[in-house]
Parts: sequence; structure tokens; C-alpha cells
Amino acid sequence: DTAVSQTPKYLVTQMGNDKSIKCEQNLGHDTMYWYKQDSKKFLKIMFSYNNKELIINETVPNRFSPKSPDKAHLNLHINSLELGDSAVYFCASRFMDNEQFFGPGTRLTVL
Amino acid sequence: AQSVTQPDIHITVSEGASLELRCNYSYGATPYLFWYVQSPGQGLQLLLKYFSGDTLVQGIKGFEAEFKRSQSSFNLRKPSVHWSDAAEYFCAVAGGSQGNLIFGKGTKLSVKP
Repeated sequence: DTAVSQTPKYLVTQMGNDKSIKCEQNLGHDTMYWYKQDSKKFLKIMFSYNNKELIINETVPNRFSPKSPDKAHLNLHINSLELGDSAVYFCASRFMDNEQFFGPGTRLTVL
Repeated sequence: AQSVTQPDIHITVSEGASLELRCNYSYGATPYLFWYVQSPGQGLQLLLKYFSGDTLVQGIKGFEAEFKRSQSSFNLRKPSVHWSDAAEYFCAVAGGSQGNLIFGKGTKLSVKP
């Protein structure tokens, strides 16, 4: 059973479109995250969220918004996609001792 | 500000040789430190972690890391590298109020036969 899953694995879309990436964790963790890995493999936090608080990295454009329908899910919505949004997006969830489990990633390509 | 530095962008070692990947961190309090590995096209797998206690930490796949507070380092080692170890390695420190990870820029490991 996959601990942290993401769908889709690959996403190819046109500039200007709106898209969503879904993330689910079955670990019962309280905190979930979205990270972006750019073309140079650099990983950077976008959002962290628990059932009480959303923390947004100030460098993330407001076209990106996380949505958490329940504790096990943290979806990522992206509006008006731009070429620079092309990247691999990783969802993660956190165990109480700060060990994070990562999903397999979603490779987003904006044409 | 919290940060992680991995000075080596790319390292090539021969199969069977020993390996050391360097990591330096900047963090005000006692750090929670991690090493992750990413194979091509794959996600991130945790190799090992340091929270407290013994400064020599054992991980999966025969890796170990040593925490040295005086040097702000957390170097990853393996005594004998296998071809399957070729991958990207990331050092990270947990920071922020919700423990998000701050990553180094990664070290790409290539293994020569």
C-alpha cells in the first residue's frame, strides 16, 4: 500500500490552463507539504499545512493554492499556468518526529 | 537564515571504492538532519536521519552519516559503493514552524564500473 500517493504522475498542458494535482496519505499524519523541484533538481518548500494552519512560502505566486478537503488529502491547484511552472511537484507528509514521507512526484510540463 | 550547503555538485567514484558526500548546515538550534536519495525519474527515499543522541547514524543500503556540531556538518559515507548507488543525494534540515525541509542543492553520484 502506497503511503503517499500523487495523481497524475505526468501532466502536460498549455499555457494559461488551470490544473490540479492530487495528494493522499494513508499514514494518519497531521502535516502535509508541497515541494517544487526545478530543472536543476533544486527542491524548495511551497506550502505546509496541518489541520489548523496553512503556511505559504512567500515566493510562491498566488496562482498556486493548496486545498485540503480532509486530513488525508492536500491537493494543489494552479491557475493560469506559465512556462516557468514546469517542474516536478512532490507532496509529503510528516511524522511527529519530523521524518517526512514523499510521494512519487508529478512532472508538470507547460507548453 | 537556515540553509544547507552541499559543496560537491557531481562526484564520480569507482565501484567498490569508498564514498563521502559533504553537507554543511546553518541552523540556530539543535538540527534535525536528513539524507535523501533520488534515483532518476523517481521520488525521494530517506537514507537516514539525525535527531539527537549518537552522532554516528546508520541508515539503509549500508550508508552512515556523522553529525559534527563543531563543524556544522553531516557527511554521508559508504565504505563500498555499488553501481546501483548512482543517483542524486540530498541533505536536508528541518526548519520552520511546521518542520518543512530545507534542502541542499544535491550531489549527483556517478559510479564507474
